[in-house]
Amino acid sequence: GENVEQHPSTLSVQEGDSAVIKCTYSDSASNYFPWYKQELGKRPQLIIDIRSNVGEKKDQRIAVTLNKTAKHFSLHITETQPEDSAVYFCAASKANKLIFGTGTLLAVQP
Amino acid sequence: GAVVSQHPSWVICKSGTSVKIECRSLDFQATTMFWYRQFPKQSLMLMATSNEGSKATYEQGVEKDKFLINHASLTLSTLTVTSAHPEDSSFYICSASARRGDEQFFGPGTRLTVL
Repeated sequence: GENVEQHPSTLSVQEGDSAVIKCTYSDSASNYFPWYKQELGKRPQLIIDIRSNVGEKKDQRIAVTLNKTAKHFSLHITETQPEDSAVYFCAASKANKLIFGTGTLLAVQP
Repeated sequence: GAVVSQHPSWVICKSGTSVKIECRSLDFQATTMFWYRQFPKQSLMLMATSNEGSKATYEQGVEKDKFLINHASLTLSTLTVTSAHPEDSSFYICSASARRGDEQFFGPGTRLTVL
């Protein structure tokens, strides 16, 4: 089955800096790659997603890149703010089934 | 739009009892609902996928007789944890999608504590 690895597990940046989180997946048939932000005790919130027919997608300060050949995708957050602090999960999906990465705790220091 | 609710938001029960958690799609019809379990500081692990009117498909290692899933309508799925034990204490989250391949919308989660 699908396996998703995520790095780093923790990331601390200064406010205004960029943050990058990377994921790799194992199943080449996966075709949908969402990223979620989860605050403590809350539901995951979709922040951006990308499908396998696209290499890059951007939404304001957030961007995602996908390399299908290498089977990896990355989340880029620019101009980080303290409110970006949370746990971020990547996921890979095939046939509507989401497999989540292990999560990255992002801390943005004011 | 695309709101998913869960009830209860938290529950505390005694070991050996059963607990039912409801997941509802409030403003759309969910052909597929998913149940996840999340232990503290860990990721979401898919437990099972349910389609309206059919039996749930369980992930490897998830006991179907312990975690009973019913998806009786296009807006409601229930998860019953039978004979709960302390190791079942976790955050249970459901999600729903309207069509295959569509975005999943997550419920707020249910915190289960088994004493």
